[in-house]
Amino acid sequence: KQEVTQIPAALSVPEGENLVLNCSFTDSAIYNLQWFRQDPGKGLTSLLLIQSSQREQTSGRLNASLDKSSGRSTLYIAASQPGDSATYLCAVRRINFNKFYFGSGTKLNVKP
Amino acid sequence: GAVVSQHPSWVICKSGTSVKIECRSLDFQATTMFWYRQFPKQSLMLMATSNEGSKATYEQGVEKDKFLINHASLTLSTLTVTSAHPEDSSFYICSARDQAPRGPNTEAFFGQGTRLTVV
Repeated sequence: KQEVTQIPAALSVPEGENLVLNCSFTDSAIYNLQWFRQDPGKGLTSLLLIQSSQREQTSGRLNASLDKSSGRSTLYIAASQPGDSATYLCAVRRINFNKFYFGSGTKLNVKP
Repeated sequence: GAVVSQHPSWVICKSGTSVKIECRSLDFQATTMFWYRQFPKQSLMLMATSNEGSKATYEQGVEKDKFLINHASLTLSTLTVTSAHPEDSSFYICSARDQAPRGPNTEAFFGQGTRLTVV
């Protein structure tokens, strides 16, 4: 069974800080891992998709890394802004299973 | 990125009535769509996988007769909550993957969600 864990559950930082969100998964047999952002009462916005053969992906101030062998991924947010405040979810797509396994999310609050 | 549209964004209904939620892929075709449920302050729980032209695949513990799924075309899947009760109140989100390019490695896109309140 695939279990996905995200640490920390909540994080509050002042504006401008660089920060790291963590995601770990128990079964390394995955197709890919995807990071999402969810604003309160809204759906999910895809941030970054990392294939199992990749080590990292970058988009603007976001950088996601993947260490499949150790079952870990990190999402690095540079120069955080109040607009980054949201819940961040990671999800893995397990080989031979046509579905995502989601972590419980990290709720980020960036204070002005 | 690709767009998945979900409608309605919120709905209030009386106990015992049925509610239909639509999920559309606007600029791509999706042979498979996914329906999730999210309780407050919790992560997403997959309810079922919707397959175009065939029966949906339900996760363990999800009542098939309660949550009816229809995937009649490559761009539309519907979830009908039948005989709704207050405990069905939740946030429902659909997801779809572009069927082209083929393979399991394509990105998943999510709808904006539907807040269902049963009174």
